[in-house]
Amino acid sequence: AQSVTQLDSHVSVSEGTPVLLRCNYSSSYSPSLFWYVQHPNKGLQLLLKYTSAATLVKGINGFEAEFKKSETSFHLTKPSAHMSDAAEYFCVVSEGSARQLTFGSGTQLTVLP
Amino acid sequence: EAGVAQSPRYKIIEKRQSVAFWCNPISGHATLYWYQQILGQGPKLLIQFQNNGVVDDSQLPKDRFSAERLKGVDSTLKIQPAKLEDSAVYLCASRPTGGEGGYTFGSGTRLTVV
Repeated sequence: AQSVTQLDSHVSVSEGTPVLLRCNYSSSYSPSLFWYVQHPNKGLQLLLKYTSAATLVKGINGFEAEFKKSETSFHLTKPSAHMSDAAEYFCVVSEGSARQLTFGSGTQLTVLP
Repeated sequence: EAGVAQSPRYKIIEKRQSVAFWCNPISGHATLYWYQQILGQGPKLLIQFQNNGVVDDSQLPKDRFSAERLKGVDSTLKIQPAKLEDSAVYLCASRPTGGEGGYTFGSGTRLTVV
């Protein structure tokens, strides 16, 4: 069975400083991993995805994530936070033929001026 | 490309009433999912369709929830009777058959049960 643990429910950073959102996963197979962002009252938007190609994945808006199989981690980073990055972020795992998504509990990112 | 359409956007009902949500996936997407997102939590899968057949409904509370996708296109999710704990955002997602990723989510229906 697949599962995802987001290690921080809330992260607060100052504008212009780096962002790190942590995610560990559990999967019986070779998983696909995703990061989604959800702004208030908006739909889920895909930031990036890992599907067994390059372990360093670049996404939209300057975000990237590194798949580390030995650590079962898929942390999301951004070198410099922007006010518009404030949102809820979900780490997501998918495996098997059904390709269902299992979401983490989310990390609320606050960006301080 | 049009996105996944959901309606209504918001719904407020009293407990024990019934409610239905509608989803129109992206044209050609064979797989359709309904997720429930309770405030402060990540979305949880309720049901998955492949064309007009159910692939997985193991997490659907079948005593009160039902869903259908009769022609393999639009889908309807129904709750009858609603409970207070059903208050959540109901998200529909679709993806084409095969391939990695490719999920597209609708904006969701926010249900409040009072």
